Amino acid sequence: AQSVTQLDSQVPVFEEAPVELRCNYSSSVSVYLFWYVQYPNQGLQLLLKYLSGSTLVKGINGFEAEFNKSQTSFHLRKPSVHISDTAEYFCAVSDPFSGSARQLTFGSGTQLTVLP
Amino acid sequence: DARVTQTPRHKVTEMGQEVTMRCQPILGHNTVFWYRQTMMQGLELLAYFRNRAPLDDSGMPKDRFSAEMPDATLATLKIQPSEPRDSAVYFCASGLVRDRGPRNTEAFFGQGTRLTVV
Repeated sequence: AQSVTQLDSQVPVFEEAPVELRCNYSSSVSVYLFWYVQYPNQGLQLLLKYLSGSTLVKGINGFEAEFNKSQTSFHLRKPSVHISDTAEYFCAVSDPFSGSARQLTFGSGTQLTVLP
Repeated sequence: DARVTQTPRHKVTEMGQEVTMRCQPILGHNTVFWYRQTMMQGLELLAYFRNRAPLDDSGMPKDRFSAEMPDATLATLKIQPSEPRDSAVYFCASGLVRDRGPRNTEAFFGQGTRLTVV
């Protein structure tokens, strides 16, 4: 079974500062990894995904994440945040070869609040 | 601009009433997910359809919840009778999953139905 741990439930940061949102996963097999963002009263929107290849993945809105297999981590980073980045961020993992329907497992989310 | 459409966006109902939530997946997608989001439990998978067939609904309370896909353009989630503990945001998501090889389960989410049962 796979699981996702987002270590920080709340991350406050000042505008234009860098930010890292942490995500660790557990899985006994190869994985696909995703970061989603949820703005207030909206659905989840895909930020970026790692399927294979380069471990550094670039997404929308200036975000990037690095897949670290030895650390089983997929931390999300942005070098300079804006007020508009205030949202909840979800890390998710899937087993690409699983026959189980529960293929996409979400973490509990991290609320990023960007302060002026 | 392809997107998943959910209706209604908001629903307030009295305990005991039937609630029906609808979802129009993105045209051409063959998988539909229903998720429930609450502060306490986060995102919970309720049901999963592929090619309109229910593959997993083990996350759904069977006595009151039901999920169906009458056709490829419509998925429904019904609660009968509704209870205050069902108050949550219900998300529908769709995706395209290949039948063979690695399954890219990227899910595209609708904006959700915020259900309040009083």
